[in-house]
Amino acid sequence: KAGVTQTPRYLIKTRGQQVTLSCSPISGHRSVSWYQQTPGQGLQFLFEYFSETQRNKGNFPGRFSGRQFSNSRSEMNVSTLELGDSALYLCASRRRQGVREAFFGQGTRLTVV
Amino acid sequence: QKEVEQNSGPLSVPEGAIASLNCTYSDRGSQSFFWYRQYSGKSPELIMFIYSNGDKEDGRFTAQLNKASQYVSLLIRDSQPSDSATYLCAVRRAGNNRKLIWGLGTSLAVNP
Repeated sequence: KAGVTQTPRYLIKTRGQQVTLSCSPISGHRSVSWYQQTPGQGLQFLFEYFSETQRNKGNFPGRFSGRQFSNSRSEMNVSTLELGDSALYLCASRRRQGVREAFFGQGTRLTVV
Repeated sequence: QKEVEQNSGPLSVPEGAIASLNCTYSDRGSQSFFWYRQYSGKSPELIMFIYSNGDKEDGRFTAQLNKASQYVSLLIRDSQPSDSATYLCAVRRAGNNRKLIWGLGTSLAVNP
């Protein structure tokens, strides 16, 4: 059974650009959560999608957005990139909301220059 | 005060010893508590979760929860060099917004 797949693994962007990251959950999993991980702030929750609907949202500006497709794949978009957006972006999938165990993908390392 | 606090370490223990990792949280209504392990350059992986006061054992790992004192700990018995990693504590709040709140992690080094 394939794990959570995130693409791309590494990305370098310039300030002001926008970026789209992709996450394919484990087959049969319908809940996808996104996190930003930095050394200073640790893992911070961005949002969670279930059945194509955003169910939870963290405290990030509106430049961060996401969506989920009917096949449960999810994308997150960051517009008008800032240097401080440089981080490891992780997505985690669960079979459904309420299930405790979440499985993480390998992450996308975003560097903004 | 951060909502979930962990000693950043590094915590250094000799091989075969017991490693004790601690985590405190501020939201008294928190319901579920998780320990994840993250190797350098890798993604977090779930080790254990606990939601009732007391101890929960799984192999060499024991999670301990004390809701009155608002702390959760992870004990690793017979520590191995392969246990060297960062251990992340995560807490799920009660209520409608049941997102996970994460600590910054404790770095553990097990010395052969």
